[in-house]
Amino acid sequence: KAGVTQTPRYLIKTRGQQVTLSCSPISGHRSVSWYQQTPGQGLQFLFEYFSETQRNKGNFPGRFSGRQFSNSRSEMNVSTLELGDSALYLCASSLEASPPGGYTFGSGTRLTVV
Amino acid sequence: GQQVMQIPQYQHVQEGEDFTTYCNSSTTLSNIQWYKQRPGGHPVFLIQLVKSGEVKKQKRLTFQFGEAKKNSSLHITATQTTDVGTYFCAGNSNYQLIWGAGTKLIIKP
Repeated sequence: KAGVTQTPRYLIKTRGQQVTLSCSPISGHRSVSWYQQTPGQGLQFLFEYFSETQRNKGNFPGRFSGRQFSNSRSEMNVSTLELGDSALYLCASSLEASPPGGYTFGSGTRLTVV
Repeated sequence: GQQVMQIPQYQHVQEGEDFTTYCNSSTTLSNIQWYKQRPGGHPVFLIQLVKSGEVKKQKRLTFQFGEAKKNSSLHITATQTTDVGTYFCAGNSNYQLIWGAGTKLIIKP
C-alpha cells in the first residue's frame, strides 16, 4: 500500500512569505500529526488532526496553522515566514491517535527560508 | 510540563560494540514507542511497549519498559554499520506523544 506522501519535498521561500505543505496519509488512516525537525533537534510537535478536528496543538505561534479534509488529507500553513522556520516538516499518520502500531512518517518537506 | 529525557545525546562506538540509549519520563506513561531515523531519512517505527516491566527483542535490539512505566531503554548488541542513525523514544501520556531528543549512534571508522 502507498505510504504517507508529503509534497513538495523541497521548498525555498523568502522571509515574510507564506507556505502551504500537504500530507496524504495512508489510506484508511484518520489521524495526521505534524512535526518540525531542525538540525540537531528532536521532533517538535505542531498539531494533530483526527477526523477533521484538531485534537492537540504544540507550542508554536499562531503563524502555524493546519487543517484536515474529509478524505483525511492534511495541510499545514505557515504565514509570515521567518529564517528560524527553516526545517524539515514531517507528517505522520495512523489509524487512531497513539495507535499500537505506531506512526508512519512521510519523507518530509524541507523548507528553507532565505 | 511533561518531559521525556533521553540520554546520551551521542554515542560513538566501534563496530561490534554494544549501544544503549535511555529514556526517563517525568510522568507515568501508558506506553512508549521507539523509532529509528537514518541520516537524511525520516523516523521509522520500531516497537511499542505497553506493560510494566515488558522486555521485547528484535534480533540484536532489546527494548525494556520500566516497572513504574516511567523509563525505557534500547540496547543494541554488536552494532553494525546498518545501525547508524538517531534513535528516538516517544512516551504516551494523556493521549499526547512526548518525544525524547534522540540518541545519535555513530560508528567510529
